[in-house]
Amino acid sequence: DVKVTQSSRYLVKRTGEKVFLECVQDMDHENMFWYRQDPGLGLRLIYFSYDVKMKEKGDIPEGYSVSREKKERFSLILESASTNQTSMYLCASSPIIDTEAFFGQGTRLTVV
Amino acid sequence: EDQVTQSPEALRLQEGESSSLNCSYTVSGLRGLFWYRQDPGKGPEFLFTLYSAGEEKEKERLKATLTKKESFLHITAPKPEDSATYLCAVRNTGFQKLVFGTGTRLLVSP
Repeated sequence: DVKVTQSSRYLVKRTGEKVFLECVQDMDHENMFWYRQDPGLGLRLIYFSYDVKMKEKGDIPEGYSVSREKKERFSLILESASTNQTSMYLCASSPIIDTEAFFGQGTRLTVV
Repeated sequence: EDQVTQSPEALRLQEGESSSLNCSYTVSGLRGLFWYRQDPGKGPEFLFTLYSAGEEKEKERLKATLTKKESFLHITAPKPEDSATYLCAVRNTGFQKLVFGTGTRLLVSP
């Protein structure tokens, strides 16, 4: 089975902190994605990566950055956390562009 | 811009009462329509991929169908364990991201 693992289920951070969300997949997938999910807004793409050290902005990249130094790991960085970044963050991976994406269990981040 | 609209927002069924969920989409060249199930507090779980109009996929009590403008997720004789949010997403020919609808929350009562 494909496994996408996010480092934390729940996080509470203070405004202004730098926050790292880590995601690891074990199926040698080329593509990895970070989404955030908010009630009434659905899943919105923050960033995605189609290869090591490659990244593309999604629909809502402001306030976020990403890092992909190894194929299996994709990190989302909140440079200076703000309360409007309180959300559920979902990491996903897929082998090639035409196939389905597999999701991790999610990280619920609260910024206070 | 690619768009996905799901209806209804919420659906309450009695156990055994069959129904359908709708996913309407506009996309500049469909390169896959995806259905996911999401339980509260968890990540989406993949169910089906459909690529062309007329295609159908089945899994247990679920059946997904696709036309040129919409997809349906038919639930036959649902059970309480089918209660979840069902998400629809599309991918277009020019871009790798999935565009999601806001989902249908399904509650099946015993």
